[in-house]
Amino acid sequence: SQQGEEDPQALSIQEGENATMNCSYKTSINNLQWYRQNSGRGLVHLILIRSNEREKHSGRLRVTLDTSKKSSSLLITASRAADTASYFCATVSDNQGGKLIFGQGTELSVKP
Amino acid sequence: DTAVSQTPKYLVTQMGNDKSIKCEQNLGHDTMYWYKQDSKKFLKIMFSYNNKELIINETVPNRFSPKSPDKAHLNLHINSLELGDSAVYFCASSQIVGRGYTFGSGTRLTVV
Repeated sequence: SQQGEEDPQALSIQEGENATMNCSYKTSINNLQWYRQNSGRGLVHLILIRSNEREKHSGRLRVTLDTSKKSSSLLITASRAADTASYFCATVSDNQGGKLIFGQGTELSVKP
Repeated sequence: DTAVSQTPKYLVTQMGNDKSIKCEQNLGHDTMYWYKQDSKKFLKIMFSYNNKELIINETVPNRFSPKSPDKAHLNLHINSLELGDSAVYFCASSQIVGRGYTFGSGTRLTVV
C-alpha cells in the first residue's frame, strides 16, 4: 500500500531558483530516501536520511526529516534545467521486510 | 558498465501471451527487487529476493512468477498477459535490505 503523499504534484520554476518538495508518510520509519527519475529512465538514489537524523546535505540537495510530523522535505538550491525530473520519496519501516514504499512523486520542471 | 540491466527495454504483446523479463546486476548486491510503475508513475513493489531466497511477495496475481537462478539475476515471468499488466517494470538491487537501491532502466510492457 502507498505510504504517503508528496506535495506539490507538479512544480515549475526558473533556473537559479530553489525548489522545495514535501513528503508525508503514515507509519514509523527506519529511514527515508529520495530518488530522481528522468523521463523514460530508471530511478536514481539521491539521499538517505535515518529516522534519528533531522537534516542531511549532499551538494545542492538538503533533506529534512520531522518524525513527529511524519514529514520530509527536499530542497534543491540554485536549480538547473538538468534538474527537470520526477522526484520520489520512499520510506523503509522495520516491520515491512525492508521494502521501499514510494510516494506519488513531484514533477519538477526547471525552465532555462 | 551497466550496474542493473534489464531486457528487453520494450515489449509489446497480445493478451493471453506469456512473456519474460530478465534482470542482471553486476554490483555484487545480495538483494534484488521487482517494482511496477503504472501510468500515473506510482511505484509498487512486487517481489524481493535476498541471495536467491524470496523474502517479499506482495499481493500480486500468481500469473507473475519471479525466478532467481543466482544472486546476480532475477527474472520475471508473466503468464496469460492482461491489458492491465501494461506498465513499466523496474528491477533494482541493494547491498543492504532497505538501503539505497540501484534501479535498472525499466521494461515498458504494452499488452494489446
